[in-house]
Amino acid sequence: GENVEQHPSTLSVQEGDSAVIKCTYSDSASNYFPWYKQELGKRPQLIIDIRSNVGEKKDQRIAVTLNKTAKHFSLHITETQPEDSAVYFCAASRAAGNKLTFGGGTRVLVKP
Amino acid sequence: GAVVSQHPSRVICKSGTSVKIECRSLDFQATTMFWYRQFPKQSLMLMATSNEGSKATYEQGVEKDKFLINHASLTLSTLTVTSAHPEDSSFYICSARDPGFLNEKLFFGSGTQLSVL
Repeated sequence: GENVEQHPSTLSVQEGDSAVIKCTYSDSASNYFPWYKQELGKRPQLIIDIRSNVGEKKDQRIAVTLNKTAKHFSLHITETQPEDSAVYFCAASRAAGNKLTFGGGTRVLVKP
Repeated sequence: GAVVSQHPSRVICKSGTSVKIECRSLDFQATTMFWYRQFPKQSLMLMATSNEGSKATYEQGVEKDKFLINHASLTLSTLTVTSAHPEDSSFYICSARDPGFLNEKLFFGSGTQLSVL
């Protein structure tokens, strides 16, 4: 089955700096890669996603890149703000709407 | 956006009892729902895929007789943790696929924190 590795497990950045989270996956048939933000005790919130036919996608301060050959994808958050502090999960699936395999999560702390 | 309601949000039970968790799609019909489990400070692990009108598909290592899934209607899937033990204490969360978005959108429930004493 699919295996998704995520690094780092924790990330502390100064407000205004950028944060980068990296994930690798093992199933070459995976084609859909969403990123979720989760606050303690809450449901995961989809923040951005990318499909395998696209190399990069941007939405305001958030961007995701995908290297399908190398089987890795990354989340970039620019101009970080304290409200960006949360746990972020990458995930992979064979198609949007299918079951997701999640990475281990990254706890991001943005220091004011 | 679509709403998925999950109840209860928190439950405390004694060891050996059974607990039922409900996942409802409020404004769409979900033929497929997924159940995940999340231990403290860990990732979400898929337990099973619930399909309306048929048996659930369980992931490897998940005991189907312990975690009973019923998806008897297009808007409701239930997860029953039978004979719960302290090691079953976890955050359980469902997600439902909304067919209105070409079957591509998943919406998560609010989760259920289960504590087994």
